[in-house]
Amino acid sequence: QKEVEQNSGPLSVPEGAIASLNCTYSDRGSQSFFWYRQYSGKSPELIMFIYSNGDKEDGRFTAQLNKASQYVSLLIRDSQPSDSATYLCALTGGGNKLTFGTGTQLKVEL
Amino acid sequence: DVKVTQSSRYLVKRTGEKVFLECVQDMDHENMFWYRQDPGLGLRLIYFSYDVKMKEKGDIPEGYSVSREKKERFSLILESASTNQTSMYLCASSTPGGSIGRRETQYFGPGTRLLVL
Repeated sequence: QKEVEQNSGPLSVPEGAIASLNCTYSDRGSQSFFWYRQYSGKSPELIMFIYSNGDKEDGRFTAQLNKASQYVSLLIRDSQPSDSATYLCALTGGGNKLTFGTGTQLKVEL
Repeated sequence: DVKVTQSSRYLVKRTGEKVFLECVQDMDHENMFWYRQDPGLGLRLIYFSYDVKMKEKGDIPEGYSVSREKKERFSLILESASTNQTSMYLCASSTPGGSIGRRETQYFGPGTRLLVL
């Protein structure tokens, strides 16, 4: 079983809709969770991180963490074509290494 | 702003060549990492370093070595390049200081796309 699971997609949403990206993980000791965005041919850039159960909002982005269900998600409100990218979920167990999922490709259609 | 730079964006090498990929960060970060990224396999950790002259193997160190002689610079070396090392190579850095979340956040360089013929 992979440590971090993401649906590869593509996930297609119309412009203005809410995009919901999901990530499950196997290690219950995982402590911090990260969402990175990666445009085609570019390197990952951090969107936000979360470490407490519940929701964390940053502009149009909301991260949701449920440690009991070993589940973290990213909601993107008012999706724009510029949000089209691959979204990587990553986590750490308290050390400095990150374990990445393989990413979900998001397409926002006009 | 954290800046991580990599010596080349694109590199073409021949099988058997020794290849050096350089990474420099300007934020005085203690931790530096080398990943490769392949379609369907995601980001895989090759080596990382917590301090000057210190290195630890990641998940796929075979065929690679690293060097960290200065805090800001972390080099990845392909001792004898092979075609299966054709990939996107990404360098990242982080600092262990700060609050939870911030101290694990990694900042990535632009990547080097390596083609081994």
